[in-house]
Amino acid sequence: QKEVEQDPGPLSVPEGAIVSLNCTYSNSAFQYFMWYRQYSRKGPELLMYTYSSGNKEDGRFTAQVDKSSKYISLFIRDSQPSDSATYLCAMSRMDSNYQLIWGAGTKLIIKP
Amino acid sequence: DTAVSQTPKYLVTQMGNDKSIKCEQNLGHDTMYWYKQDSKKFLKIMFSYNNKELIINETVPNRFSPKSPDKAHLNLHINSLELGDSAVYFCASSGIAGRERETQYFGPGTRLLVL
Repeated sequence: QKEVEQDPGPLSVPEGAIVSLNCTYSNSAFQYFMWYRQYSRKGPELLMYTYSSGNKEDGRFTAQVDKSSKYISLFIRDSQPSDSATYLCAMSRMDSNYQLIWGAGTKLIIKP
Repeated sequence: DTAVSQTPKYLVTQMGNDKSIKCEQNLGHDTMYWYKQDSKKFLKIMFSYNNKELIINETVPNRFSPKSPDKAHLNLHINSLELGDSAVYFCASSGIAGRERETQYFGPGTRLLVL
């Protein structure tokens, strides 16, 4: 079993829809949770960062961490074609030198 | 200003050749990484250097050798290239405190194709 599980998709939704992307993990010691966005033929870029449990909002994006369920989510409101990309979750902990453990990435397609 | 840069962007070469990929970061970070991303988009850590010292060395063939001349540069040399080495290689860096330490900043990638 992988430490971090993420459905690779693809996930195809119409423009304007609310998108929900998720990851589950097995190691309860993870403390830092991130979502990266990767456009085709580009490097991953940090989209959202959360420490421990809770919600964080940035514009149309909301990241949620539920440590009791070992589950993290990324919500995208009013999705746009420009949001079409691969979304990768990543997490780390202090006692492993903050090495990032990655999900497989979910390919998201927003149809105009 | 490019924060993490890699050269070359594309690399097409024959099996058995030796090649190098260079990475530079101007963020003042002291930890740098090499990742391999396969066709299914999975990111696999290969190496990590902190202040020119190797701290992560995952199970990769010893044909791959990282070199860090200073904390702003981390190069990757690959000997005797094989077909299975074809992938996108990403360099990344992270800082020493707070969010800069807990997250990583990526370069644009080097697409390696071995024929």
